Amino acid sequence: DVKVTQSSRYLVKRTGEKVFLECVQDMDHENMFWYRQDPGLGLRLIYFSYDVKMKEKGDIPEGYSVSREKKERFSLILESASTNQTSMYLCASSPTGYYGYTFGSGTRLTVV
Amino acid sequence: AQSVTQLGSHVSVSEGALVLLRCNYSSSVPPYLFWYVQYPNQGLQLLLKYTTGATLVKGINGFEAEFKKSETSFHLTKPSAHMSDAAEYFCAVSEGSSNTGKLIFGQGTTLQVKP
Repeated sequence: DVKVTQSSRYLVKRTGEKVFLECVQDMDHENMFWYRQDPGLGLRLIYFSYDVKMKEKGDIPEGYSVSREKKERFSLILESASTNQTSMYLCASSPTGYYGYTFGSGTRLTVV
Repeated sequence: AQSVTQLGSHVSVSEGALVLLRCNYSSSVPPYLFWYVQYPNQGLQLLLKYTTGATLVKGINGFEAEFKKSETSFHLTKPSAHMSDAAEYFCAVSEGSSNTGKLIFGQGTTLQVKP
């Protein structure tokens, strides 16, 4: 069964901490995405990557960075966590072309 | 630019009743269209998709959707709601010609099923 695995389901971090959210896919997909989901705002794209070491900003990249050193792994980094980054974070992957995404289970991050 | 509008953030139906979740899109190129479902505290799961060919698309769990180009719509239906259908549903459209696979999502519709 194909999978996108996010390293943590629930995470609590303190304001100012550097936070790493990890995502791994086993489908050899070229494209990987990070979204955040907030009530009433739907899914908002933070960053995406269409190849190793390639990245593009999404709609809300401020306060975030990403890393993709290997094809299967796409990391989201919160350089200095703030309370307004408390959210559900969803990772997804897809092959080239429009086949649709496979999503991970999500990480619910709380910044206190 | 491509966009998606889901009409109604909350829809409530009785068990056994017809489910209709509305989605309209805007796209400057022939669209690829998707419906996803999200159960509480989980990621999104693909219900069905339209790429090319037959405009009536059948998905999992008895759901189907019809692509209507003239109406720029891709509404999701199910003839008879089940309690287990209670979830949030997202419509999505392909971003355009970039071939990155990027999707544009609607705001989501929460489906409540009453016994």
